[in-house]
Parts: sequence; C-alpha cells; structure tokens
Amino acid sequence: GQNIDQPTEMTATEGAIVQINCTYQTSGFNGLFWYQQHAGEAPTFLSYNVLDGLEEKGRFSSFLSRSKGYSYLLLKELQMKDSASYLCAVRVNSNYQLIWGAGTKLIIKP
Amino acid sequence: DTGVSQNPRHKITKRGQNVTFRCDPISEHNRLYWYRQTLGQGPEFLTYFQNEAQLEKSRLLSDRFSAERPKGSFSTLEIQRTEQGDSAMYLCASSASRDRPYNEQFFGPGTRLTVL
Repeated sequence: GQNIDQPTEMTATEGAIVQINCTYQTSGFNGLFWYQQHAGEAPTFLSYNVLDGLEEKGRFSSFLSRSKGYSYLLLKELQMKDSASYLCAVRVNSNYQLIWGAGTKLIIKP
Repeated sequence: DTGVSQNPRHKITKRGQNVTFRCDPISEHNRLYWYRQTLGQGPEFLTYFQNEAQLEKSRLLSDRFSAERPKGSFSTLEIQRTEQGDSAMYLCASSASRDRPYNEQFFGPGTRLTVL
C-alpha cells in the first residue's frame, strides 16, 4: 500500500522557524515534492528532493532520507503569508503519478 | 495569463445530472493530470495523459468518470449520474517532460463541484 503521514496542524510565531515532517511508505520512489496550498487555492510547487540531503531555496529548505522514508520542510523567518497547508507528495514511478499526504495546516501567530 | 486554466470555477448540480469540466494546460506541456480534493485531504489522483494518450487511470475511479484529451491540448472530465459523494474540488495540473528531473506539476485554480 501507499501511505504518507504528516501532522495535521502546527502553530508557529511570526519570525520564528518551523519544521514540518513527512514520512512515507510507498511501493516505489522517484522523488519527493513539497507544495504550498492557501485556503481555496491550487497547490504551488515549493521543492523537490530525489537524493538524500538538504536542498535550500531562500527561506525554505527541504531534507530527504530515503533509507528512513523521511523528509522535512524547514521554513525560516516566518511571515504571516506563510499561513497555508503544506503538502508532501511522493512520485512512485516513471509515469509521474504523485501520491499525496493530507497536508499540514500551518498557523502563524503574530 | 499563461498558467493552467479551468472552467467552470464552480458548478452546482442536482444528483443524477451529468457535468463536464474543462482544463487548458500550459501550452508547451505534454503531460496533463486530473485530481480530486476534499476538505482537509491531499489531492487524489484520477487520471493522467501524455499528449492525447490516457496512460493511467485510478482504480478508485468509477465508470461514471471519463476524461479525454482529443488533440493533446485541452482536456475534459465528465461525471455521469452525479452523486453527493462526488462533491469536491477537481484540480487539473500539467507538466513538461523536458523539465526533468523535477517534472513539477503546475496546478489550475480548480473546479468546485457541489452535488445537491
């Protein structure tokens, strides 16, 4: 079976750092994506990892450990506009089908 | 606007009626995906096209659902004899194979379906 787990909701303070974890058990692995989704809007691409290690992109970084089936998204210098759901998705085969987690709703407080 | 577009944005229908949604992908993208999303859940894969060929269809998708991409450009998703459980946001995404290795998917704004 295919399973992706993320915390349902997290709360953080403006200006702080937050780490959103994702664990996966899938039949195959061909890359892991993080997407941001504001309420009522479509998901937008944030990051991609296919090799172990950390990928940094501005205030956002994403880490992958394939042996542990684990990834995290690190958000620094949080801003109010970062309040959104963050979705972890695994590409399981060469057909580019993505298996999605349920998303983590991040609430930023002043 | 050169992003993915979807029409209509909202659709309210009565149970038993047929509905059709349209997706126009980014023009140079050869891959097109349909997803369904309900509140508090991630997108659920429905089907996938490469050019005009439908290469994959979710086993969870009933025979009431059909999708086409006749000329390898826009796509339509039809739901026949709608049920209340079909109420959801229907998302379309597209990607281009030349963008490897990311092959990131770009999403449209979605069509919100409400079945009464």
